[in-house]
Amino acid sequence: DAGVIQSPRHEVTEMGQEVTLRCKPISGHNSLFWYRQTMMRGLELLIYFNNNVPIDDSGMPEDRFSAKMPNASFSTLKIQPSEPRDSAVYFCASRPGQGRDQPQHFGDGTRLSIL
Amino acid sequence: KQEVTQIPAALSVPEGENLVLNCSFTDSAIYNLQWFRQDPGKGLTSLLLIQSSQREQTSGRLNASLDKSSGRSTLYIAASQPGDSATYLCAVSFMIKAAGNKLTFGGGTRVLVKP
Repeated sequence: DAGVIQSPRHEVTEMGQEVTLRCKPISGHNSLFWYRQTMMRGLELLIYFNNNVPIDDSGMPEDRFSAKMPNASFSTLKIQPSEPRDSAVYFCASRPGQGRDQPQHFGDGTRLSIL
Repeated sequence: KQEVTQIPAALSVPEGENLVLNCSFTDSAIYNLQWFRQDPGKGLTSLLLIQSSQREQTSGRLNASLDKSSGRSTLYIAASQPGDSATYLCAVSFMIKAAGNKLTFGGGTRVLVKP
């Protein structure tokens, strides 16, 4: 089991640029979650998908953020245009099934710095 | 508003001492509570998941208890080792409709076990 794979591990870019974060969930998992972690706000859920369909995007901070899941093995989180306050660690997690009784499996995150 | 709190934010103990980590939550209507471990630069690893109907869960040296009525959970780590040094996060799945499939995280307790 390769675990949840995120890329890139680190991203440094200038404000105004488009940023795309990528996630490959564990094979067979049909729920996928995007989180953001900062010192000030801790871990926050941005959006989650069930069977590739976005279910709850109420945590997405602004229209500058968008997420897609074109198939069961790939998801992207895009920020356009990026701002310094978007600097954070972004985690992707996946879970087998749609029930809450299964633990989520996290990737190692993408550390994003917007200059 | 559903909130999860972890106090203290940091804890240092000598090797061999038992660790006691606290988590409190504001609403007793929950589906489950999870404890995660996070190492520096890494994602979260699920340690234990306690369903609403359970009082405790055990895995090796780890034991987690749940008291819904008082809104508390405690993670015990017996005979701590330097390798237990990490940040431990508590996360709750609240039962309100607005929470959906969302996990609400505490701020974490950073643990240092001194050899």
